[in-house]
Amino acid sequence: GQQLNQSPQSMFIQEGEDVSMNCTSSSIFNTWLWYKQDPGEGPVLLIALYKAGELTSNGRLTAQFGITRKDSFLNISASIPSDVGIYFCAGLTYNNNDMRFGAGTRLTVKP
Amino acid sequence: DAGVTQSPTHLIKTRGQQVTLRCSPKSGHDTVSWYQQALGQGPQFIFQYYEEEERQRGNFPDRFSGHQFPNYSSELNVNALLLGDSALYLCASSYAYKQGWGEAFFGQGTRLTVV
Repeated sequence: GQQLNQSPQSMFIQEGEDVSMNCTSSSIFNTWLWYKQDPGEGPVLLIALYKAGELTSNGRLTAQFGITRKDSFLNISASIPSDVGIYFCAGLTYNNNDMRFGAGTRLTVKP
Repeated sequence: DAGVTQSPTHLIKTRGQQVTLRCSPKSGHDTVSWYQQALGQGPQFIFQYYEEEERQRGNFPDRFSGHQFPNYSSELNVNALLLGDSALYLCASSYAYKQGWGEAFFGQGTRLTVV
């Protein structure tokens, strides 16, 4: 099945810095989703992308659906302490009805 | 509007026992998917239910089974529990439409510990 490679595995940044993380796959996806998960909670949807090349923002978050359909990135600008958590990318195809997740990027923000 | 709700939140079972986890989807959603999330990993797809039938299944043994009820709520059953089944079990609901099943909203999960 399709595998998603998410990087980096973890990031330690200073409050106010910008953050960038990405997800790549050897397979094509028709939808890319970015989730944030806090400890002991389920993932919360941040951004959904449906078209190749699409660039979508949600407040300080910006995500793009790669032109090749095999990758996506998420940027967080001017990070704040509440951005701490694990960020997951997920890909979905039309033919398969399951959603594949990356292994996550653990973000730590130092005040 | 209530989101996705799962019960129970925590559960401790003994190896070899059976367990049932429950999920109520977000209002207006008709599709329920179940995921297993081991510590430090991303969620792994178990199966998806739509119109009371299993529509797609991930790479999980037959010990994992499920059900969807006419009100769209769902159950996940795991038989003959193994220590390795200890994980956070997540339910996600979505609305099925032609192009795909779109964004999924997750519940808070059920933390299952097998001892």
